Amino acid sequence: DAGVTQSPTHLIKTRGQQVTLRCSPKSGHDTVSWYQQALGQGPQFIFQYYEEEERQRGNFPDRFSGHQFPNYSSELNVNALLLGDSALYLCASSYGPGELFFGEGSRLTVL
Amino acid sequence: DAKTTQPNSMESNEEEPVHLPCNHSTISGTDYIHWYRQLPSQGPEYVIHGLTSNVNNRMASLAIAEDRKSSTLILHRATLRDAAVYYCIRTPSNTGNQFYFGTGTSLTVIP
Repeated sequence: DAGVTQSPTHLIKTRGQQVTLRCSPKSGHDTVSWYQQALGQGPQFIFQYYEEEERQRGNFPDRFSGHQFPNYSSELNVNALLLGDSALYLCASSYGPGELFFGEGSRLTVL
Repeated sequence: DAKTTQPNSMESNEEEPVHLPCNHSTISGTDYIHWYRQLPSQGPEYVIHGLTSNVNNRMASLAIAEDRKSSTLILHRATLRDAAVYYCIRTPSNTGNQFYFGTGTSLTVIP
């Protein structure tokens, strides 16, 4: 049983570009959450998707958007990249409000 | 806003018990306490959670103070694999699993 898988694992972008990160949840899970983790910090909640809708959002600007597909997989999009967007982006899945299972993350570097 | 306080770092000798403290003095009656840990180069993983009474599972024990203003995660015999950052998270029962992580406690296990 595959756990949470994320792609790509690493990527480099330049300021102003756009990026899309992808997440496949653990089998049987219907809820996907996204977190941003800067170096040396704890993960920060970006938003959560359930039934293809954004259910709750953390303190992130509209440049951060997402989508959940009918098969429960999800994408995180970030527009107009800033240097400060460089971070590890973590996807977590759950069955409803249950225990979170995290992927290993996508490491984004913005130059 | 994590609303929990943890020491930045702790050390333990291998095969000895470890007590990781967490202060959540502003906790309300329906807030849960969750513990996750993050091993190097991995996403966080669930450890344990509780509401009022002490909880045990195969990984650890959670001792919650009678006034619920603090809790302690107990690893009964630390192994080298337990070296990780441990996060104590409080969540209102009506927000499901949208977690707000702090900076956690970095546990070093000495062989």
